[in-house]
Amino acid sequence: DVKVTQSSRYLVKRTGEKVFLECVQDMDHENMFWYRQDPGLGLRLIYFSYDVKMKEKGDIPEGYSVSREKKERFSLILESASTNQTSMYLCASSSGGDNGNTIYFGEGSWLTVV
Amino acid sequence: GNSVTQMEGPVTLSEEAFLTINCTYTATGYPSLFWYVQYPGEGLQLLLKATKADDKGSNKGFEATYRKETTSFHLEKGSVQVSDSAVYFCALPFTGGFKTIFGAGTRLFVKA
Repeated sequence: DVKVTQSSRYLVKRTGEKVFLECVQDMDHENMFWYRQDPGLGLRLIYFSYDVKMKEKGDIPEGYSVSREKKERFSLILESASTNQTSMYLCASSSGGDNGNTIYFGEGSWLTVV
Repeated sequence: GNSVTQMEGPVTLSEEAFLTINCTYTATGYPSLFWYVQYPGEGLQLLLKATKADDKGSNKGFEATYRKETTSFHLEKGSVQVSDSAVYFCALPFTGGFKTIFGAGTRLFVKA
C-alpha cells in the first residue's frame, strides 16, 4: 500500500524557533509537495519539488524553505516560526509530470506556534 | 490558466439523502479531473477521477461525469451515510503539469 509519512502529527513550538517538518514517501515518486490548510482558505501550496535537489516556490513560500537531498524525503523548514504559521501542514507526492496522476497525501502535521 | 470552482458548504443532509456537490472548471485542453476526500483529522485521499470527456469516475457509491460541454464534474451519491461526513475537494492539474489546483472544499455533514 502506498504511503506518505509525516514525522510529527502534533507540534507546539515557540515564536522564533526553527522548525523542521519531515516527510517520507515509499512510492519512488518524482514529485513532492508541501501544502498548508487553514479554515476558509483551503489548500495552499508552499513549495514543491520535481526531482532531488530541485525545488520550486508555490503560492505562499514566504517564511519557509525546503530540502530534498534524497528522492524519498522532502523537508519543510520554518526558519523562525511565527504565530501566523500555526496551521495544518500536508505533505504529498505524485509520479511523473503527466496530468492524470493521483496525488498521495500524508495524514498532516498540526503545528501550533505560541 | 486552469482553475476550479466548487460549491460552498457546509452541506447538511440526513442519512440516505441524495448528494450533489457542484464543481466547474476552466482549462487549457482536456486535463484529468479529480475528487479528493478528507475525513476528520486525516490528509486527503483520492475518491475518484476521470481522464477524458464523458468518462465517469466512481468509487464507494460516489460518481462524477466529465462534462466537456458544461465544463463540470459534479459529485453525486444516491444515498449518503453518516460515515460520508468529510470535506470534498474537486481538483485538476495546473497548466503545464506538476502541480494540482484544488477547489476550496465542501464540508458535508450527514445526520443519523
